Amino acid sequence: RKEVEQDPGPFNVPEGATVAFNCTYSNSASQSFFWYRQDCRKEPKLLMSVYSSGNEDGRFTAQLNRASQYISLLIRDSKLSDSATYLCVVNGGSSASKIIFGSGTRLSIRP
Amino acid sequence: DTGVSQDPRHKITKRGQNVTFRCDPISEHNRLYWYRQTLGQGPEFLTYFQNEAQLEKSRLLSDRFSAERPKGSFSTLEIQRTEQGDSAMYLCAITHSQGSVDEKLFFGSGTQLSVL
Repeated sequence: RKEVEQDPGPFNVPEGATVAFNCTYSNSASQSFFWYRQDCRKEPKLLMSVYSSGNEDGRFTAQLNRASQYISLLIRDSKLSDSATYLCVVNGGSSASKIIFGSGTRLSIRP
Repeated sequence: DTGVSQDPRHKITKRGQNVTFRCDPISEHNRLYWYRQTLGQGPEFLTYFQNEAQLEKSRLLSDRFSAERPKGSFSTLEIQRTEQGDSAMYLCAITHSQGSVDEKLFFGSGTQLSVL
């Protein structure tokens, strides 16, 4: 089993729709969580951190469920510019090698 | 601007050649990471520096790979005797935090390596 798993997608949704995807992790001792966005042939860019209390930034909401060991990302009122791959990142501890990236979920927003 | 510059952006080489990539953080950051990313996968950890000390290496880093950070500022990643399987995006990242568990990584634009 992979340490961090994501549905690869693609998720193909119309503009204005709400879309959500999850990321599961296996290390129950994981301490911090993030969502990154990556455009085609570009570097990953930090989208938002994920806190136990949830985190909202405009149209984006991230949640953490420690009991079930998953994090989620919800995008409301999706825009064409939201089309990208969304990578979840789990930091399993103080070791640098414990920062684990998921394989990403591809999202495509159609007009 | 993430504050990390990588050079070159693209590198095409023949199998068996050596290649070297460079990562330049714009300002001083004591933590610097190298990752490798292949198509359809997330970045995979290669190695990590705190200042000039290389503190961690992944098992992905075979003896053909070496990384340095001689003065604790820029870093280089060298691949000797390249193989086709080395074709990937090589990403450098820094953090702005000071050792907390909340390590937010900021990536350079990467070097895309193609081994023919």
